[in-house]
Amino acid sequence: EVQLVESGGGLVQPGGSLRLSCTASGFTVSSNYMSWVRQAPGKGLEWVSGIYRDGSTYYADSVKGRFTISRDNSKNTLYLQMNSLRVEDTAVYYCAREGEVIGRFDYWGQGTLVTVSS
Amino acid sequence: DIVMTQSPDSLAVSLGERATINCKSSQSVLYSSNNLNYLAWYHQKPGQPPKLLIYWASSRESGVPDRFSGSGSGTEFTLTISSLQAEDVAVYYCQQYYSTPYTFGQGTKLEIK
Repeated sequence: EVQLVESGGGLVQPGGSLRLSCTASGFTVSSNYMSWVRQAPGKGLEWVSGIYRDGSTYYADSVKGRFTISRDNSKNTLYLQMNSLRVEDTAVYYCAREGEVIGRFDYWGQGTLVTVSS
Repeated sequence: DIVMTQSPDSLAVSLGERATINCKSSQSVLYSSNNLNYLAWYHQKPGQPPKLLIYWASSRESGVPDRFSGSGSGTEFTLTISSLQAEDVAVYYCQQYYSTPYTFGQGTKLEIK
């Protein structure tokens, strides 16, 4: 059974950093396309970042230069390092598997809440 | 960036009736080399992550009831629920995966009338 479990969210001050983790089971992270998608409280969905099978990475302009997506193949885990956090980064962050089709999100985790506030 | 616009923003439909949600993209998401529309539909129930319903604009994800169907091509798409069930109450999103950044519509809140 495919499962994605996010962790690492919490309260952080503006300008601070946080690292989110997404531990996968039932499939191999490195053999799939993976993404982070966020949802601000009461708002819609926003794609944040993705990583391809070959390790190439992609970012939304809103986070480029501040966030870094990576993976640890030995731990079957996806990460999102978030630096220089802003109030507008407050959201539930979901990791999502793209499966066989790039950009099509077939499995989602339950999400982890990141709150950026002083 | 490709902008996705859904209509209506909210919709109330009686149980057993048809529900229709529309989605327009600011540019075509039809890839000419394979004639596929890079368009997906999700729904999200309160407190849950989104769930994939439809991909390639009209292909139903495994396990999704056949009352859900998608249609359209190019820049205009439609999600139809043929006979609304109580468990279909959710927010529905369309999403293009033609190019990064992948973008979603603003969502359509579906309720029971």
